[in-house]
Amino acid sequence: EAGVAQSPRYKIIEKRQSVAFWCNPISGHATLYWYQQILGQGPKLLIQFQNNGVVDDSQLPKDRFSAERLKGVDSTLKIQPAKLEDSAVYLCASSLGSPIATSEKLFFGSGTQLSVL
Amino acid sequence: QQPVQSPQAVILREGEDAVINCSSSKALYSVHWYRQKHGEAPVFLMILLKGGEQKGHEKISASFNEKKQQSSLYLTASQLSYSGTYFCGTEFNDYKLSFGAGTTVTVRA
Repeated sequence: EAGVAQSPRYKIIEKRQSVAFWCNPISGHATLYWYQQILGQGPKLLIQFQNNGVVDDSQLPKDRFSAERLKGVDSTLKIQPAKLEDSAVYLCASSLGSPIATSEKLFFGSGTQLSVL
Repeated sequence: QQPVQSPQAVILREGEDAVINCSSSKALYSVHWYRQKHGEAPVFLMILLKGGEQKGHEKISASFNEKKQQSSLYLTASQLSYSGTYFCGTEFNDYKLSFGAGTTVTVRA
């Protein structure tokens, strides 16, 4: 079974530039998550999609971050403009997305390590 | 609301045991445990639902104390492969997962 695919693996940009990350979840997984993991901290949820609808984006800095999941499959996370504090690993995860509300196992991608200089 | 994990770090020799705790100030629906090795993605270990059920994965097991709103992860007879950072994730009735800051486990030969 193919896992969650993310690209690029690494990205270095200067502050005020824009950047985009791509995620392809496991086939058939309805729920997709973007997490931000700052060095030494646990993953922090930025946005959660159920198919192509947003379930939770309460911690997404909407003045600079945006995300979309067209056709309920792939997803793109964008930062524009980037700040120094955005340096982190951006993890994408997916889960089955059962229509019955229940706890589900998350499958994570390898992440994109972003350095903002 | 982010759970609190303790200890922050632990160093073990192969064959030793360790316990990692995860606490919440609110009533929990479930607790997830993941392990992340350096530079890799977090990998799922187990989910515990409220009810005090104990689960296991290899020689790693966990319990969920509903009264204390706490989960404990037990590393028994640790192996070198157990090294990594262990994260607990907690869910309330809204099924939104929040992760703790992690516990770094180093197992030495």
